[in-house]
Amino acid sequence: DSGVTQTPKHLITATGQRVTLRCSPRSGDLSVYWYQQSLDQGLQFLIQYYNGEERAKGNILERFSAQQFPDLHSELNLSSLELGDSALYFCASSVAGTGYNEQFFGPGTRLTVL
Amino acid sequence: DQQVKQNSPSLSVQEGRISILNCDYTNSMFDYFLWYKKYPAEGPTFLISISSIKDKNEDGRFTVFLNKSAKHLSLHIVPSQPGDSAVYFCAASPRDSWGKLQFGAGTQVVVTP
Repeated sequence: DSGVTQTPKHLITATGQRVTLRCSPRSGDLSVYWYQQSLDQGLQFLIQYYNGEERAKGNILERFSAQQFPDLHSELNLSSLELGDSALYFCASSVAGTGYNEQFFGPGTRLTVL
Repeated sequence: DQQVKQNSPSLSVQEGRISILNCDYTNSMFDYFLWYKKYPAEGPTFLISISSIKDKNEDGRFTVFLNKSAKHLSLHIVPSQPGDSAVYFCAASPRDSWGKLQFGAGTQVVVTP
């Protein structure tokens, strides 16, 4: 158990819908990261927040957005969903925000878009 | 553009023998490297890391070697155990960026009795 929690574990929805994925980081961690793992791709970095502020952005679609709240939990919002958005979405957290620290991953949310 | 490459999608090794996983990178700005292990239906689990000022880091059965001139790193697992059967990801972080990680495609390791 990494100490990072993600809800829900599974999500099934239809094209065009909007969903929210939630992540609670490990106690004491200030940084939260979101990654997407599709069947035909490896883990792709989406976005990073540090202490409530956006710090780094990867290939995140404009239909996707995220935020980190004062209690440090984070939400990833996916809207106008398409079939290709079906994937595993992982949240990770770390103590600091720079690259010299390990990121600890949650169990993931499996999103299926029908 | 895949900047971190794991060219072996799978590796089969006998229990008790050494597992060697390889990873190549193209971005010379990467200076922190990590290995993660992933079981099905779970998130990646951190195994071991190395910064570019070192060429070796050891933690129990796991050793990571870094060859900066060749832009190559490897993970050695000795001795391999059945519980080591998993997908192993190599990841790298550039020094000029907040901590996003770039991952390789992963290597599926199967440890046979």
